Amino acid sequence: SQQGEEDPQALSIQEGENATMNCSYKTSINNLQWYRQNSGRGLVHLILIRSNEREKHSGRLRVTLDTSKKSSSLLITASRAADTASYFCATYNAGNMLTFGGGTRLMVKP
Amino acid sequence: GAVVSQHPSRVICKSGTSVKIECRSLDFQATTMFWYRQFPKKSLMLMATSNEGSKATYEQGVEKDKFLINHASLTLSTLTVTSAHPEDSSFYICSARGGGNEQFFGPGTRLTVL
Repeated sequence: SQQGEEDPQALSIQEGENATMNCSYKTSINNLQWYRQNSGRGLVHLILIRSNEREKHSGRLRVTLDTSKKSSSLLITASRAADTASYFCATYNAGNMLTFGGGTRLMVKP
Repeated sequence: GAVVSQHPSRVICKSGTSVKIECRSLDFQATTMFWYRQFPKKSLMLMATSNEGSKATYEQGVEKDKFLINHASLTLSTLTVTSAHPEDSSFYICSARGGGNEQFFGPGTRLTVL
């Protein structure tokens, strides 16, 4: 039931660096969402970007959406060790159910 | 945002036993609840969708007799893993939707079958 793929699958950076994760999806969308998941925990909703938006900011997060390429990116600026987590994009499928990309496991080294 | 709880957070059981996982919407009425399964280092895979008072709709490849879902009230859905086997060990996450389109996620339940 996965909608798309994310890359990279895993990313390791130093504290203070920026982290960029990409997501591709397959069908038309009304919006795209990004979630964070700490190891063994539930999902935390980060940000929603609508199909008529190209870019959205929330604190250190910047999300872009390119509907012509069916892709989105999540940028975390000035990363911190506490940002270590898995990040998933998600879209609603034809049945109006939220489906997830493969996820990117981010490791931020102190 | 709205709060969804799951119970238990962790469960260890013997092979062949059944395990029930509860999902509750604490401050809103959930007309639709979703159950996801997540293997280690993998994404969430939708298992089934349940609407209050009706039978659940299962995704392709998910055995409905194996994973029994009951959505008896607007605030409670249960997932029962029947005759559990070690390959059923996984992280199970529920999600609930109220009147709007947003889905709220529970904290997940770690099932380990010995």
